[in-house]
Amino acid sequence: SQTIHQWPATLVQPVGSPLSLECTVEGTSNPNLYWYRQAAGRGLQLLFYSVGIGQISSEVPQNLSASRPQDRQFILSSKKLLLSDSGFYLCAWNFGSGDNEQFFGPGTRLTVL
Amino acid sequence: AQSVTQLDSHVSVSEGTPVLLRCNYSSSYSPSLFWYVQHPNKGLQLLLKYTSAATLVKGINGFEAEFKKSETSFHLTKPSAHMSDAAEYFCVVSDRGRNAGNMLTFGGGTRLMVKP
Repeated sequence: SQTIHQWPATLVQPVGSPLSLECTVEGTSNPNLYWYRQAAGRGLQLLFYSVGIGQISSEVPQNLSASRPQDRQFILSSKKLLLSDSGFYLCAWNFGSGDNEQFFGPGTRLTVL
Repeated sequence: AQSVTQLDSHVSVSEGTPVLLRCNYSSSYSPSLFWYVQHPNKGLQLLLKYTSAATLVKGINGFEAEFKKSETSFHLTKPSAHMSDAAEYFCVVSDRGRNAGNMLTFGGGTRLMVKP
């Protein structure tokens, strides 16, 4: 069976500091991978998706970047955090074909002070 | 293009009474439709999905949803609410096979509150 991991679970960072959130998937090969952000009391916003190693598509211009250095690893980064980067970050994956159902990780709660 | 509208941002029911969470969608092609549930500070869990088979879809925890093409609706129901059902629910659409990256479009969410 497949599992998805995210870490850290929670993070408190000062404004202007760098960020690195990691997501890994086990039990499958060549998944599509996704990063979402969920601001307080709001729905999900797709930030990035990847259909393969080194292939990153950005959905919205912002202070963040993503990388996929390995098939089942997806990293969300920032060089300098802003207050507005606070939120709940969710990683997800799917098989890349079929029903498009996505499987979500447990999330990372980021607070920028 | 695809879009999803969840008609109620908050729904409050008493324990043991029926639940109805409303969702309307727009899609240019044959859609896949999903309902996800999110408990506080947790990831999203799939409740059920519609993928062009039976229009009445049964999911986990006693939830079900009916795909009505003529009404472009995919409402989520449960006959009897339980306290543990209190959570945020998202209706989601995807254009099957026409969607590079297999991306999903999320509704704004409905917060379900269950009173004892």
